[in-house]
Formats: sequence, structure tokens, C-alpha cells
Amino acid sequence: AQSVTQLGSHVSVSEGALVLLRCNYSSSVPPYLFWYVQYPNQGLQLLLKYTSAATLVKGINGFEAEFKKSETSFHLTKPSAHMSDAAEYVCAVSERGNKLVFGAGTILRVKS
Amino acid sequence: AAGVIQSPRHLIKEKRETATLKCYPIPRHDTVYWYQQGPGQDPQFLISFYEKMQSDKGSIPDRFSAQQFSDYHSELNMSSLELGDSALYFCASSLGAGGRTDTQYFGPGTRLTVL
Repeated sequence: AQSVTQLGSHVSVSEGALVLLRCNYSSSVPPYLFWYVQYPNQGLQLLLKYTSAATLVKGINGFEAEFKKSETSFHLTKPSAHMSDAAEYVCAVSERGNKLVFGAGTILRVKS
Repeated sequence: AAGVIQSPRHLIKEKRETATLKCYPIPRHDTVYWYQQGPGQDPQFLISFYEKMQSDKGSIPDRFSAQQFSDYHSELNMSSLELGDSALYFCASSLGAGGRTDTQYFGPGTRLTVL
């Protein structure tokens, strides 16, 4: 069965600094990976997804993620953090039947 | 753009009561998924429907049942509620037969509290 591990339940960065949110997966089949963002009182919003095309995936709001099979990782990055990026970020892998298996989430705090 | 709608947003019930959660997918989406997220836990897949037929089943208790209707909305029925059923219930929808690359669009969730 697939699983997802997100290192760091809370990450704090200064405004303008690099954002790096870590996600490692375990999968017995070729993985399809997703990053979602969740703002308070809102549903999960898709940031980007990897579906075996390009290993560097660009998403919305300036985020991107790189799929590294050798490291079983799909880390999320953004060169320069904005205050509006403060939210919870959740990594997920798609299993058979497209049910998603989620990581525990990382809460990003952006300091001014 | 229209999003996934869930109702109610908040629900408080007593033990042994029943609850019905509703999910209205994005227009034209034909697949609906239900997830349960307990306090401090990751969301767990419960059940999914494609074209009104159950397409997959996860860790859904026998006390729960769900269906998808002709207009593609879905309802999750929960009976004999237990304290442990208190959770945030997410619904998601997608277009397609549940392929692993289909993007799921999530609703804001229904927070169920069982007293």
C-alpha cells in the first residue's frame, strides 16, 4: 500500500525566503503525487500534480515540485514566500481507484 | 467557478442518533469521493461513486451508507453515531472513471460533533 510522510508538521520562514516543504512516498506502483493547500475553513485546493510526465512540475501561486524516484521524494518549493502563502500544505499519493492517501500536512507560517 | 458544496458545514448530534451529510459535486463531475479526518489525523478514504455506482470502498463502518443520485449529488448516512465518529468529513469530485491521475476537487468539509 502507498503511504506519504511529510517531515515537519510546522515550518516557519521569513517573507521573501525560500519555502521547502518535504514529502516522501512509498508506493508499490508508479506513483501519482499531488500537493494540496488548505486555508482555514476552506477545502483542499490543488497546487500541482505529478503524473509521470515531466519530473519538475509547476503549479499555481509560484510553487513547484520535483519528483525524484531515487529518493522517493516530491518536495514542494517556492523561491520567495509571501504572507498569503501561510496555510496548511498536504501531500498525497493516488492509489488504485484514485483514492488518495494523504500525509499529515505541514503548516507553513510566514513571518514579516 | 463553481466548487464542491457540502452541507451542512457543521452538525452536532447525540450518541446513537443518525446524521446525513450531503455533497454536491462540481457541475459535470460524475465521480464523488468521501473522506473522514479525525482530530489530529490524516484524511482517510471512505467510499467513492462513479455514475451512481459504488466504485471503491475504504475503511467505512457498516453503520455508514452512501449513495450517489441521478443528479450526481451524494449523501453519506451515518447511524448509531458514536463519539469516535466526530470528525471532519470531506467530499471531493472529479470528472472521469476514477483514474489515478484524475484531479479531485474538494469541498470545505462538514464538521460532525457527536456528544
